[in-house]
Amino acid sequence: GAVVSQHPSRVICKSGTSVKIECRSLDFQATTMFWYRQFPKQSLMLMATSNEGSKATYEQGVEKDKFLINHASLTLSTLTVTSAHPEDSSFYICSAAGQGYVEQYFGPGTRLTVT
Amino acid sequence: GDSVTQMEGPVTLSEEAFLTINCTYTATGYPSLFWYVQYPGEGLQLLLKATKADDKGSNKGFEATYRKETTSFHLEKGSVQVSDSAVYFCALSDASGGSYIPTFGRGTSLIVHP
Repeated sequence: GAVVSQHPSRVICKSGTSVKIECRSLDFQATTMFWYRQFPKQSLMLMATSNEGSKATYEQGVEKDKFLINHASLTLSTLTVTSAHPEDSSFYICSAAGQGYVEQYFGPGTRLTVT
Repeated sequence: GDSVTQMEGPVTLSEEAFLTINCTYTATGYPSLFWYVQYPGEGLQLLLKATKADDKGSNKGFEATYRKETTSFHLEKGSVQVSDSAVYFCALSDASGGSYIPTFGRGTSLIVHP
């Protein structure tokens, strides 16, 4: 099946710094990538949808200036958490879908801890 | 808009027990339906899917049938194992209007005891 990787798997940063998370589709071209945030007790929140070469579409309530998403190629999307604060600590998961596919393939997730 | 409703967990079973996790949906179009599984500390993995009414998805002993008349996609397994302990997400994708719109349920935690 299709493989999606995320890097880093875990990151600890200080409050006020920025953190970049990479999401890569390793064996297919991902025309669409999704970024999710998973809160404790498992609920999965869609943050934004990005299509290669265009601006991301953010879900209501998600600050686009705080969570910068770039999808510059068909195999790479990045999420940058700017000026991170402890409340941004969470598990961030990306997924990718190819042209004409109805299912998405998930990355293994990134655990962000802001101290 | 589209929505997915799952039974709340946790679901606690003994090994070899029968499992049912209920999932119902609302959608404006003709969605594809999925079950994903998330093991502790990991991302989501596709468990099974069904793309049209009456299709049955199956994998690793799990099954789910796309029931359009009841708008349901219940997950079942005849005999669970301790290794099945995980969180299970029901989801749909609706390509209405040409865009890919994923919708997930809140997830159901399954705990299987030896």
